[in-house]
Amino acid sequence: AQKVTQAQTEISVVEKEDVTLDCVYETRDTTYYLFWYKQPPSGELVFLIRRNSFDEQNEISGRYSWNFQKSTSSFNFTITASQVVDSAVYFCALSRGGSQGNLIFGKGTKLSVKP
Amino acid sequence: DGGITQSPKYLFRKEGQNVTLSCEQNLNHDAMYWYRQDPGQGLRLIYYSQIVNDFQKGDIAEGYSVSREKKESFPLTVTSAQKNPTAFYLCASRPRDRGQMDTEAFFGQGTRLTVV
Repeated sequence: AQKVTQAQTEISVVEKEDVTLDCVYETRDTTYYLFWYKQPPSGELVFLIRRNSFDEQNEISGRYSWNFQKSTSSFNFTITASQVVDSAVYFCALSRGGSQGNLIFGKGTKLSVKP
Repeated sequence: DGGITQSPKYLFRKEGQNVTLSCEQNLNHDAMYWYRQDPGQGLRLIYYSQIVNDFQKGDIAEGYSVSREKKESFPLTVTSAQKNPTAFYLCASRPRDRGQMDTEAFFGQGTRLTVV
């Protein structure tokens, strides 16, 4: 069975702290994609990153970084020097096979960044 | 501007009534999807369509129906058979469901349905 687990339901940090959001996945597909989406209070999902199963390189984009480890089936997301605007719900998602739109989502982690 | 438009943003329905949620995209995408989100839960796939006049059930299709008569439109009907329809509904699209195009799914702003 395919599954995405985000064990942290809610995280609260003070501005400028670093924070890591955990994501663990299960799949038997050999080709798959992993995603992180951000959902601000307005409700729409904002795409942050995609990784395919053959690319384990970590990625950094500004204050955001992602660590993909197939050995532990994890795809963790770190925000460095968090800001109030980072407050949102963050979802990790797994594709079903090669479909980048047919996704299995984790339950999300609500991040609150306080000034 | 290209994008996905969902309407209405808020929808109220009486128990036992059918209601249709609109999703329109002008991105020329072949594949479209409907997801449901409940409080504190992730999104779950209801239906998806890879091409006009074709669609498949997702994980929670019972009590819902869709049509795909035009490429740009993928309306979702919540029928009276859906036992617990109050939720946030999100529509998404991407160029093609599978293949080499390395493009993520784009999401609309959602419709919040409340049964009263």
